[in-house]
Amino acid sequence: QSALTQPPSASGSPGQSVTISCTGTSSDIGRYEYVSWYQQHPGKAPKLIIYEVNERPSGVPDRFSGSKSGNTASLTVSGLQAEDEADYYCNSYGGSNNFVFGTGTKITVL
Amino acid sequence: EVQLVQSGAEVKEPGESLRISCTSSGYSFTNYWITWVRQMPGERLEWMARIDPTDSYINYNPSFRGHVTVSADKSISTAYLQWSSLKASDTAIYYCAKHRLQGRGIDAFDIWGQGTMVTVSS
Repeated sequence: QSALTQPPSASGSPGQSVTISCTGTSSDIGRYEYVSWYQQHPGKAPKLIIYEVNERPSGVPDRFSGSKSGNTASLTVSGLQAEDEADYYCNSYGGSNNFVFGTGTKITVL
Repeated sequence: EVQLVQSGAEVKEPGESLRISCTSSGYSFTNYWITWVRQMPGERLEWMARIDPTDSYINYNPSFRGHVTVSADKSISTAYLQWSSLKASDTAIYYCAKHRLQGRGIDAFDIWGQGTMVTVSS
């Protein structure tokens, strides 16, 4: 199963919003509501920030939001802060007992 | 506190065997699937496999099947990832992660181990 497609990079100034896309197929993102997003700072383990397309775990700021349309999921970070600078990965259940991660996007806070 | 603690970094030579571990605490180990994820140096996350600790039912990513083996010992709340013959291309950080929903193995990974760096070099 091929990786989900994400833009390599995105950037914004503090206080601005940034949206990252994650494009899959009708067999993964298009078929299931099990899309999740992970934030990874350098040298650290990934952290779950969005699950089931648009749900936030306890403790994750509401500046992070998710959505899905067709075969594409999106993560929006509103009110960018310096600590949001990190790599972000999407993930989807792909059926047939398989999962697939995205290619990853580095968000830079200018 | 719910946490996963992984074994320490390993340096091995090609052809050697290796088993790394992931020990859970703070929750009922058998109630939640465990997934393994690979991250090669500077690269993206890759889903490798998941295991139901209740009965050790396992699903592998076809890309990893036959090269790694996943197992679990519920008596000590520990999951394992092992290789019988390492290759230089196995050099990576390996993470274990707990699935979020009890008894469901198709949802998000909410708790992650700190990662185990495996270096394979002659």
